[in-house]
Amino acid sequence: SAVISQKPSRDICQRGTSLTIQCQVDSQVTMMFWYRQQPGQSLTLIATANQGSEATYESGFVIDKFPISRPNLTFSTLTVSNMSPEDSSIYLCSARVAGNEKLFFGSGTQLSVL
Amino acid sequence: GESVGLHLPTLSVQEGDNSIINCAYSNSASDYFIWYKQESGKGPQFIIDIRSNMDKRQGQRVTVLLNKTVKHLSLQIAATQPGDSAVYFCAGNYNQGGKLIFGQGTELSVKP
Repeated sequence: SAVISQKPSRDICQRGTSLTIQCQVDSQVTMMFWYRQQPGQSLTLIATANQGSEATYESGFVIDKFPISRPNLTFSTLTVSNMSPEDSSIYLCSARVAGNEKLFFGSGTQLSVL
Repeated sequence: GESVGLHLPTLSVQEGDNSIINCAYSNSASDYFIWYKQESGKGPQFIIDIRSNMDKRQGQRVTVLLNKTVKHLSLQIAATQPGDSAVYFCAGNYNQGGKLIFGQGTELSVKP
């Protein structure tokens, strides 16, 4: 298994500002992903975080709004830029570790934008 | 496009009864499926998974059934307990790749 540490666990932000979420995995990671979970809804994949190169974004998500870094195998950040109330969601980091098909999740970052 | 969807948004069962949560998927190329449990304020927690070369897999009190003909999978929970109350998501890989696409979720409530 893997332990995924995500911080902050929650934040309340003003519109127009940006928030960077950090994700650290304690195991050897093959793939890392960022998901968004809007209130009362399922998880939507934002992007695949690629080590040392630009993330691969899903339809409807763009780098200018959700810049992602992954400087090494076990660490990634997601920035929510120029926030609006519509960005209020839970943001979840996930990772697949070597030798395991399962996708493990962090506890998420609860973001509220006023 | 691809999608993984659930039939029912909520399910209420009596403690001790069996629960069945259903899920449909649209991508024929998916070859790996997984069920997650999400409690309030927490990230999704792995329950059980199944590959497309199987039609049934059992865990502790849980069974996943896969019907590739109709693109349907289900999660069966035996002797449901209050601690099983949560939202359950099915997910499938997209075109046999690494990313998972999630269904809408079913909220399971267990009545004592």
